Amino acid sequence: SQELEQSPQSLIVQEGKNLTINCTSSKTLYGLYWYKQKYGEGLIFLMMLQKGGEEKSHEKITAKLDEKKQQSSLHITASQPSHAGIYLCGAGLNEKLTFGTGTRLTIIP
Amino acid sequence: NAGVTQTPKFQVLKTGQSMTLQCAQDMNHEYMSWYRQDPGMGLRLIHYSVGAGITDQGEVPNGYNVSRSTTEDFPLRLLSAAPSQTSVYFCASSYAISGVLMNTEAFFGQGTRLTVV
Repeated sequence: SQELEQSPQSLIVQEGKNLTINCTSSKTLYGLYWYKQKYGEGLIFLMMLQKGGEEKSHEKITAKLDEKKQQSSLHITASQPSHAGIYLCGAGLNEKLTFGTGTRLTIIP
Repeated sequence: NAGVTQTPKFQVLKTGQSMTLQCAQDMNHEYMSWYRQDPGMGLRLIHYSVGAGITDQGEVPNGYNVSRSTTEDFPLRLLSAAPSQTSVYFCASSYAISGVLMNTEAFFGQGTRLTVV
């Protein structure tokens, strides 16, 4: 089983709508990354959360870390076509840089 | 600043052939790792290293070898390619101190799209 599980696996959202992606760890989180990947391309660093309760925003993307729940959520407000892609959460678990199962986001007009 | 340089970008191999994927970073990062990404999936860890001379297996190590003779380089070797190894491969590096991975941004190469026929 994966140490970092993301939900949902895929998401189709109408342009302008809000959406949330979750990342849940089977181990204690001491920090968590979010990356975005456009189809067929490399990974783009979005943000890193380093302590429980921390919330960061970048343009219309907000992420929060809940250490007690061993979970992070990524929220996109008023989605745009440029938000389409694969979102990946990552964390250092047992001294290994581990990534989640990925969420494929499609934005429809 | 080159960051993480990964070569080649594309490769087609015949079953049974061997090849090496190159990964180099110029940020003096102790930690480096290799991942494969299959369609519709996240990144699965193949091998990782917390410093020169130290390597360890990840989630899907079978069929792959690595070595870390210098801090800068972390090549991934496929000894006898199989169609199941058709995938996109990513190399990453991150900051570590004395083998302990720090909570800082991880940097990725641009990926290698490998097809085994």
